[in-house]
Amino acid sequence: IAGITQAPTSQILAAGRRMTLRCTQDMRHNAMYWYRQDLGLGLRLIHYSNTAGTTGKGEVPDGYSVSRANTDDFPLTLASAVPSQTSVYFCASSDAGGAADTQYFGPGTRLTVL
Amino acid sequence: GEDVEQSLFLSVREGDSSVINCTYTDSSSTYLYWYKQEPGAGLQLLTYIFSNMDMKQDQRLTVLLNKKDKHLSLRIADTQTGDSAIYFCAESLVLMDTGRRALTFGSGTRLQVQP
Repeated sequence: IAGITQAPTSQILAAGRRMTLRCTQDMRHNAMYWYRQDLGLGLRLIHYSNTAGTTGKGEVPDGYSVSRANTDDFPLTLASAVPSQTSVYFCASSDAGGAADTQYFGPGTRLTVL
Repeated sequence: GEDVEQSLFLSVREGDSSVINCTYTDSSSTYLYWYKQEPGAGLQLLTYIFSNMDMKQDQRLTVLLNKKDKHLSLRIADTQTGDSAIYFCAESLVLMDTGRRALTFGSGTRLQVQP
């Protein structure tokens, strides 16, 4: 069982380019999340999805979009990357029916925008 | 908004106990969590505690919750060099548009274990 996979592992991107970070889970979890991790700021929620076909905005959604066409995949798109989006991005999932809202994290994508 | 605060750094000697502290602000949090992040890796759930509990013990890990002071701590007994990592405290917050819960993380405490 792979759990959650993310791709790419790392990427260097020119400002203004479009980029999609991929996230796939095989646990059949209903809910999925995207966070960014920046030094000294912990993890901040970008977007989330409670179930396939629905998405919602988190704490820092500007400049990002998501889609949830099916249960397993939750891609994050930067339409026109800016240097302030340099960060490590983590995808997570949880069983929305579970009592503890425990989230399981992918290994992360390190993105550098020049 | 809700805030979760942790000290940034803790250094201990191998074999000693480590205590990592966290304060949170959302009194409606149902669960509070401790995650561990090793270098270059994602976050791994260590343990969680339900808000009606004062303490939870799991092998070398002890979680203490003081709900009155909104203070959470993680004690690692007999700390090993393999425990060196960043430890994140997290509380669940309610997403206003759906009523669903997401997590709010502290900035993380880097634990350094000296041999």
